[in-house]
Amino acid sequence: SQTIHQWPATLVQPVGSPLSLECTVEGTSNPNLYWYRQAAGRGLQLLFYSVGIGQISSEVPQNLSASRPQDRQFILSSKKLLLSDSGFYLCAWSGLGELFFGEGSRLTVL
Amino acid sequence: AQSVTQPDIHITVSEGASLELRCNYSYGATPYLFWYVQSPGQGLQLLLKYFSGDTLVQGIKGFEAEFKRSQSSFNLRKPSVHWSDAAEYFCAVAAGSGYSTLTFGKGTMLLVSP
Repeated sequence: SQTIHQWPATLVQPVGSPLSLECTVEGTSNPNLYWYRQAAGRGLQLLFYSVGIGQISSEVPQNLSASRPQDRQFILSSKKLLLSDSGFYLCAWSGLGELFFGEGSRLTVL
Repeated sequence: AQSVTQPDIHITVSEGASLELRCNYSYGATPYLFWYVQSPGQGLQLLLKYFSGDTLVQGIKGFEAEFKRSQSSFNLRKPSVHWSDAAEYFCAVAAGSGYSTLTFGKGTMLLVSP
């Protein structure tokens, strides 16, 4: 069966520090992968999606970047975090006619 | 571009009572519609989806939703709410089968009172 893992689950970082959130999918090949951010009362916002290795589409201009170094690995990064980067980040993959979400990573920038 | 409105930020329902969560969308063609549920601090789980065909869609956990094109609505219903249904519910619309176009509403928090 397919599974999706995100880590770390919780992260507290100072302003200006770097960020790396990792997401891996198991049990499927060549999935479409997505990074969403969820801010309180604002629903989910699609940040990036990828249809294959090295193929990244950015949905909104921001302080973040994404990479897909392997077929089932999707990484969300920042060189210098801002206060506004705080939020709940969700990785997802699509297949079987459905979108499957990871457990999420809570980022607090202080 | 498509958009989704969930007019109720919070709803409180007594356990055993019926539930209806509202969702209105804006999209020029036939949309793909979804309802997701999120428990605190966790990811989202798909409850049900509508792509085409029968406008009354059955989902998991006893939920159903009805697509009404004339009202641009896709309301979620459950005849009898259980305490474990307390969570946040998101309606979403996609312009096609690709999830890169999926747009979420801001969510409705369901509280269940004893």
